[in-house]
Amino acid sequence: QVQLVQSGSELKEPGASVKVSCKASAYTFTTHGVGWVRQAPGQGLEWMGWIATDTGNPTYAQDFTGRFVFSLDTSVSTAYLQISSLKAEDTAVYYCARKARGIGFFDYWGQGTLVTVSS
Amino acid sequence: EIVLTQSPGTLSLSPGERATLSCRASQSLSSSYLAWYQQKPGQAPRLLIYGTSSRATGIPDRFSGSGSGTDFTLTISRLEPEDFAVYYCQQYGSSPWTFGQGTKVEIK
Repeated sequence: QVQLVQSGSELKEPGASVKVSCKASAYTFTTHGVGWVRQAPGQGLEWMGWIATDTGNPTYAQDFTGRFVFSLDTSVSTAYLQISSLKAEDTAVYYCARKARGIGFFDYWGQGTLVTVSS
Repeated sequence: EIVLTQSPGTLSLSPGERATLSCRASQSLSSSYLAWYQQKPGQAPRLLIYGTSSRATGIPDRFSGSGSGTDFTLTISRLEPEDFAVYYCQQYGSSPWTFGQGTKVEIK
């Protein structure tokens, strides 16, 4: 069965960087894009963008340009989200999700990674 | 950017009752590219409906979606105990692919 398994929780100080991984299994990685969604504590879902796994081309929502980088290692079927210059307001659960083939909804989700930014 | 507004914010119902959730878009959605997700506390969202009315794999037929243009509805015909959760709509016809703010369905 399709699975997306994310890396574990992170506690970082303001100004640091974090890299979240999302390992896919049970399907051909390069046939479906991977999206990223943020959920701040007690809040709703926020679409961050997605990366095409065949070309590596990323698309970012406006609020997620600059400090946020999507990347891939197709040899291990893994997508990454790197956030630099962390701020307290980046504290959230970050989800990766498989984009349905050709269109933009998410049919399978990772379990989420809690990133806490605190001194 | 297309803004999705969900209503009501909270729906208080009893098991067995019918739930009707609304999602209104600030612009007409192309090709009815609207999805619904369910999220329970501490869990990742789960896809319920895509393309306005197509149920995802394994989703019971008590869940149905309808609508067009700017007005969309998720209906749960008879609430089961496991259906009490937060529901989000998402449009994917126009980038950025935005989510609504969610509707919480709680036990009355």
